[in-house]
Amino acid sequence: GDSVTQTEGLVTLTKGLPVMLNCTYQTTYSPFLFWYVQHLNEAPKLLLKSSTDNKRTEHQGFYATLHKSSSSFHLQKSSVQLSDSALYFCALRSSSGSWQLIFGSGTQLTVMP
Amino acid sequence: GGIITQTPKFLIGQEGQKLTLKCQQNFNHDTMYWYRQDSGKGLRLIYYSITENDLQKGDLSEGYDASREKKSSFSLTVTSAQKNEMAVFLCASSMGEEQYFGPGTRLTVL
Repeated sequence: GDSVTQTEGLVTLTKGLPVMLNCTYQTTYSPFLFWYVQHLNEAPKLLLKSSTDNKRTEHQGFYATLHKSSSSFHLQKSSVQLSDSALYFCALRSSSGSWQLIFGSGTQLTVMP
Repeated sequence: GGIITQTPKFLIGQEGQKLTLKCQQNFNHDTMYWYRQDSGKGLRLIYYSITENDLQKGDLSEGYDASREKKSSFSLTVTSAQKNEMAVFLCASSMGEEQYFGPGTRLTVL
């Protein structure tokens, strides 16, 4: 069945450093991936979504590239800010044909001064 | 723009109690969802509905009922609250690929 794996539960970094949050997936369907961000006590919001294979998508300084060869959609940013501290979820559109999303377990990013 | 409203924001129940959570959206979206969020486990789908009076079970539907009586509203019932249960229940809606989430209802069972 469909699944999403986020290997890091917690990532702590100093402001200004680069970050990569891992996301790998399994599906029998054509993959369509999303990154959602949830700040403390707020609702999750869409951060960015995948495009075609090997094409990078960007939003608010974050970027990700869908790589079908490695079944990955890692989230990156070149220089993290304090305001980037949040919970990040990778999600896969279900192969059931509906608009269901399969979410990973999430990565908590904490940026220190 | 639109908004999703969830009530109540905090819900404290007793073991065995039947509890109802409500969700309203003014996006005019067709599809609505209920997720449960536990620490370290991401978001798990309980129920979703693609139109008024439609209900589809998610992976976590056991122990829950849902109701979609109007396009704009989607209710979730915990049929028998489990002792020491703590979770956040998130409602979402979508018209296509992007899901918009509400602020959540935080459940604590004593």
